[in-house]
Amino acid sequence: DAKTTQPNSMESNEEEPVHLPCNHSTISGTDYIHWYRQLPSQGPEYVIHGLTSNVNNRMASLAIAEDRKSSTLILHRATLRDAAVYYCILRDVNTGRRALTFGSGTRLQVQP
Amino acid sequence: GAVVSQHPSWVICKSGTSVKIECRSLDFQATTMFWYRQFPKQSLMLMATSNEGSKATYEQGVEKDKFLINHASLTLSTLTVTSAHPEDSSFYICSAPRTSTGELFFGEGSRLTVL
Repeated sequence: DAKTTQPNSMESNEEEPVHLPCNHSTISGTDYIHWYRQLPSQGPEYVIHGLTSNVNNRMASLAIAEDRKSSTLILHRATLRDAAVYYCILRDVNTGRRALTFGSGTRLQVQP
Repeated sequence: GAVVSQHPSWVICKSGTSVKIECRSLDFQATTMFWYRQFPKQSLMLMATSNEGSKATYEQGVEKDKFLINHASLTLSTLTVTSAHPEDSSFYICSAPRTSTGELFFGEGSRLTVL
């Protein structure tokens, strides 16, 4: 699986936007960009995914660079409940039923 | 609501005993389930892939005789930690892809503490 690089940690203030970056310079044409997050003492949960175009859902937005070598997860208004480890993972469309490989992720702290 | 459920959510046992953790897909069939282990402040590490009707596939370095996996039905996989020792204390997480769509769901995790 292609590798992703994320900052180890980030801090944000409550109700402010948060931009979580992810670099994936070796991404292939069939790799989807997935984001999962893991709240303390819980299993990971799906956040969003995309291929080429920017994506929005009720949880977040995903901005994908034109060359697809990087992406940014955007939380529009951080809340204390958004404090979690965020994982950016590439998933080949042809191996959709394989296990995910987790990197170290970004630990997001949200200050009140 | 949760579509993959684990039980128990936490367990404390004495060294040398065996502990079974269940993983159920609640509203879909999963011919494959994945078991991960996560130590404090670390990321999830894949331990094994559970396959309904056949033997589990273990990742390198994971002892198959210590971590017994049984995929009893299309909705249930169990992980048994045999002769548990304190170093087996960890957060165990299962994951299942919905067969029809490939969407991947995770259980809530099971925290094992071996005294």
